[in-house]
Amino acid sequence: NAGVTQTPKFQVLKTGQSMTLQCAQDMNHNSMYWYRQDPGMGLRLIYYSASEGTTDKGEVPNGYNVSRLNKREFSLRLESAAPSQTSVYFCASSPPATNEQFFGPGTRLTVL
Amino acid sequence: QKEVEQDPGPLSVPEGAIVSLNCTYSNSAFQYFMWYRQYSRKGPELLMYTYSSGNKEDGRFTAQVDKSSKYISLFIRDSQPSDSATYLCAMSVNTGNQFYFGTGTSLTVIP
Repeated sequence: NAGVTQTPKFQVLKTGQSMTLQCAQDMNHNSMYWYRQDPGMGLRLIYYSASEGTTDKGEVPNGYNVSRLNKREFSLRLESAAPSQTSVYFCASSPPATNEQFFGPGTRLTVL
Repeated sequence: QKEVEQDPGPLSVPEGAIVSLNCTYSNSAFQYFMWYRQYSRKGPELLMYTYSSGNKEDGRFTAQVDKSSKYISLFIRDSQPSDSATYLCAMSVNTGNQFYFGTGTSLTVIP
């Protein structure tokens, strides 16, 4: 039981490049989330998916797109990376009817 | 105004001390209150989870919620060096809904 896994662990991009951050969970959770964490700003929600086939914007969705590929996988795409998107990105999942979130180990992204 | 305010610290205490961590919030609709612990370069992990007002105790940890004051606290008794981490409060209106996190308080427990 791996929990929530994220790939890659580290990534360096140049401004304007695109990339997809992958997230998968093996706990059969319905809800999945993408956050970014910046110094002094805490965790901010980018997008979430309450169930397979649905996605909703969070607090800071601009510059990002998501895909809930199936119940297990929730990916985050940066179409044209900007230095302001340098951050640590966390994926999380949550079982139904609870507020307990399980987090992945994070992806450290630097945009030059 | 941010939805959730949390003093970032840093907080440094000797081993065995009682630690008090706090958050305030502005949205009176919040019903679910969580405390997460995050070790350096790791993802957050859930420490305590309470619904509505009141106290909840789990070993050395006690979570308190005062909805009338829009104030939540986490108390750590007999603090240990292994408690050194960043503690984040989080809250939501409903289950499976958007969470709002504080910025986190960095705690160091000195042996």
